[in-house]
Amino acid sequence: GAGVSQSPSNKVTEKGKDVELRCDPISGHTALYWYRQSLGQGLEFLIYFQGNSAPDKSGLPSDRFSAERTGGSVSTLTIQRTQQEDSAVYLCASSFGGGRVDTQYFGPGTRLTVL
Amino acid sequence: AQKITQTQPGMFVQEKEAVTLDCTYDTSDPSYGLFWYKQPSSGEMIFLIYQGSYDQQNATEGRYSLNFQKARKSANLVISASQLGDSAMYFCAMSPLGFQKLVFGTGTRLLVSP
Repeated sequence: GAGVSQSPSNKVTEKGKDVELRCDPISGHTALYWYRQSLGQGLEFLIYFQGNSAPDKSGLPSDRFSAERTGGSVSTLTIQRTQQEDSAVYLCASSFGGGRVDTQYFGPGTRLTVL
Repeated sequence: AQKITQTQPGMFVQEKEAVTLDCTYDTSDPSYGLFWYKQPSSGEMIFLIYQGSYDQQNATEGRYSLNFQKARKSANLVISASQLGDSAMYFCAMSPLGFQKLVFGTGTRLLVSP
């Protein structure tokens, strides 16, 4: 079956531009997560969705970052007025969202480079 | 708050040998899950193995086993019979039960030589 997919795989943008990153979770997974991986900060949690609502947005680094999820499926992470420190790999993961063991399965990531 | 510590930035092992990757954790949650992920150079995070804090037995998945010592707050990954394809970054992670965010360690880079 299909895993988590993310697009684009690579994105190069200029400082100050807005970017949108997309995540398609595994079919049937109700929980969706965004993480960021950078050399200096390691792997950081950004936001968690259960269905279309986001009960935990505690990892979003600033109000330039926002995310939405529609139809309990696809999610979009938007970064406005990008800065060089936003350069990182953005990873999306999904899970069933229930049960005793709720393993998160990751997509291949989007590598964002802000020039 | 939870914290994961991986003290080995890099490990070397010869093909067919076993290797242990260390992971210690700190949490005040009464119930939690511990995970290991593999990240090859391609970048994708691959789930390897899971251990629940309430599980009495250590988890095993093929060549992977988790040496869980709750009193010592350690969850070491043991890879038996290493293969060249095991060369990758390995991350230990935890979350409180309730399917929330994962907290990751800094990772260990494993190199398997012929």
